[in-house]
Amino acid sequence: KQEVTQIPAALSVPEGENLVLNCSFTDSAIYNLQWFRQDPGKGLTSLLLIQSSQREQTSGRLNASLDKSSGRSTLYIAASQPGDSATYLCAVRNTGGFKTIFGAGTRLFVKA
Amino acid sequence: DGGITQSPKYLFRKEGQNVTLSCEQNLNHDAMYWYRQDPGQGLRLIYYSQIVNDFQKGDIAEGYSVSREKKESFPLTVTSAQKNPTAFYLCASSINQGAKGQPQHFGDGTRLSIL
Repeated sequence: KQEVTQIPAALSVPEGENLVLNCSFTDSAIYNLQWFRQDPGKGLTSLLLIQSSQREQTSGRLNASLDKSSGRSTLYIAASQPGDSATYLCAVRNTGGFKTIFGAGTRLFVKA
Repeated sequence: DGGITQSPKYLFRKEGQNVTLSCEQNLNHDAMYWYRQDPGQGLRLIYYSQIVNDFQKGDIAEGYSVSREKKESFPLTVTSAQKNPTAFYLCASSINQGAKGQPQHFGDGTRLSIL
């Protein structure tokens, strides 16, 4: 059974710092891994999607990597800003099924 | 603009009452999903539908029901059998194209509380 873990559960950093959020999964048989952002009381906004054949994806100040063999993904945020404060969730879609498994998220607070 | 609309934003349920959460999408997506989110936990799948007139139970379907009569609509009913319905409910959709994974797009959610 696929399990997705995100560490740390919460993170507070000063503005301008580069940071890394971690996601690990137990079953490497995945179609893709997706990173989302969730603001309080809102739905999820897709940030990056990495297909199983890819190693990384980049969008602006965000870079996500995927290492299937070790069951890990990282989301790198460069030059963090207070507007980056939100909860970040990763999710994996397994092969051989239709389900997407979500981690519990990392709550990020960027101090001005 | 294309997107997913969930309504209402807030909903209160009385004891023994069934309530229905609306989810509408104009993205022309085949697949639609309902998730439940509780504090400190990841999203859990309630039901999903890959095509009109077909839907499947997710991990926590007990006490819930759905219908998929139209491609753009996937309403969720929280029945009186669901004893702990207080949660944030999220609807999502995605293109359903063979084996290659496609991103899921989410609505803004409905927060359900017990009166």
